[in-house]
Amino acid sequence: NAGVTQTPKFQVLKTGQSMTLQCAQDMNHNSMYWYRQDPGMGLRLIYYSASEGTTDKGEVPNGYNVSRLNKREFSLRLESAAPSQTSVYFCATQTSGSSYEQYFGPGTRLTVT
Amino acid sequence: QKEVEQNSGPLSVPEGAIASLNCTYSDRGSQSFFWYRQYSGKSPELIMFIYSNGDKEDGRFTAQLNKASQYVSLLIRDSQPSDSATYLCAVKLEGRDYKLSFGAGTTVTVRA
Repeated sequence: NAGVTQTPKFQVLKTGQSMTLQCAQDMNHNSMYWYRQDPGMGLRLIYYSASEGTTDKGEVPNGYNVSRLNKREFSLRLESAAPSQTSVYFCATQTSGSSYEQYFGPGTRLTVT
Repeated sequence: QKEVEQNSGPLSVPEGAIASLNCTYSDRGSQSFFWYRQYSGKSPELIMFIYSNGDKEDGRFTAQLNKASQYVSLLIRDSQPSDSATYLCAVKLEGRDYKLSFGAGTTVTVRA
């Protein structure tokens, strides 16, 4: 039972390059999330998916796109990376029903030069 | 006003002492509250959740909720060096079923 997994763990991109961050869960949760975490800024929600087939913007969606491929997988795409997107990215899932507990993947450290 | 506020710290406590962390929130209708622990370079880990006013204990951790005053706290008893981490408070705001609002975190250092 792996919980929430993310790939890759580390990535260095040049400005303007694109990449996709992958997230998968085996917790059978409906809701999935992408956050970024920057020093002094805390966790900021980029996009979320309340259920398979739906996605919604969070606080900081500009420069990102997402795909909810199926119940298990939720990917985050940077079409044209910018240095401001240097951050640690976390995927999370949320328990179904009324408990609202979120569980995080190990994170992807992205540097854009 | 931020939705969830925490003292950033750092909070330094001697080994064996009680560490007390506070969190205030702006939405009076909030119902669900969470504490996450995050070690340096790692992802947040859920350690406590509380839904009702009062205290909830789990091992050396106690979460305290006071909805009237809109604050939630975390006590760490018999603090150990392994408790050194950043602690994030998270709140489910009313009307936002799919989103938690996170505080910026309080960094705790336990001195051996």
